[in-house]
Amino acid sequence: GAVVSQHPSRVICKSGTSVKIECRSLDFQATTMFWYRQFPKKSLMLMATSNEGSKATYEQGVEKDKFLINHASLTLSTLTVTSAHPEDSSFYICSVRTGAEETQYFGPGTRLLVL
Amino acid sequence: SQQGEEDPQALSIQEGENATMNCSYKTSINNLQWYRQNSGRGLVHLILIRSNEREKHSGRLRVTLDTSKKSSSLLITASRAADTASYFCATDGSNDYKLSFGAGTTVTVRA
Repeated sequence: GAVVSQHPSRVICKSGTSVKIECRSLDFQATTMFWYRQFPKKSLMLMATSNEGSKATYEQGVEKDKFLINHASLTLSTLTVTSAHPEDSSFYICSVRTGAEETQYFGPGTRLLVL
Repeated sequence: SQQGEEDPQALSIQEGENATMNCSYKTSINNLQWYRQNSGRGLVHLILIRSNEREKHSGRLRVTLDTSKKSSSLLITASRAADTASYFCATDGSNDYKLSFGAGTTVTVRA
């Protein structure tokens, strides 16, 4: 399966600051990456679909100006949480999909804590 | 949006016993996938079953799919302490490969 990394693994920031999370596909080119959010002991909620070279597609209820997604290359997608607030504290996970498979491969996740 | 519901929410078993968890969904699907998540980690893909398949095996895992009842089950045989994790089903029902995840079953295997 594909190898996916995320950076940072954990970040603590002050309210009002912006935080950038990187998702990298290490061993293949990913045309599509997905960003999820997970609350403690809850399931994953899809936030947006990131396509290389085009604008991300956001799920209903997700503020695109709050969660900026950039998929600048076939191996890198970034999620920027702008003007973070305590309610943005969560576990953010990315996944990638290879062209040939229906399976998604997930990164290890980034835990964000906004104070 | 989420469409899967999993049952039970939590399961505690003795090492060596079998663990069974169920997943129900609401709309038609292309495939259903099961993932495992260790605490604070990402998800690991376990098995994918297509809508035209009824049963699939992978090692100690057995997955069934009943599209008439819109349900699936995951059986882990001869459980080990390392199987302790949360297990999620995810359905793929669209042409854009989006996954909808169930609420998950937390499995604890006691040594």
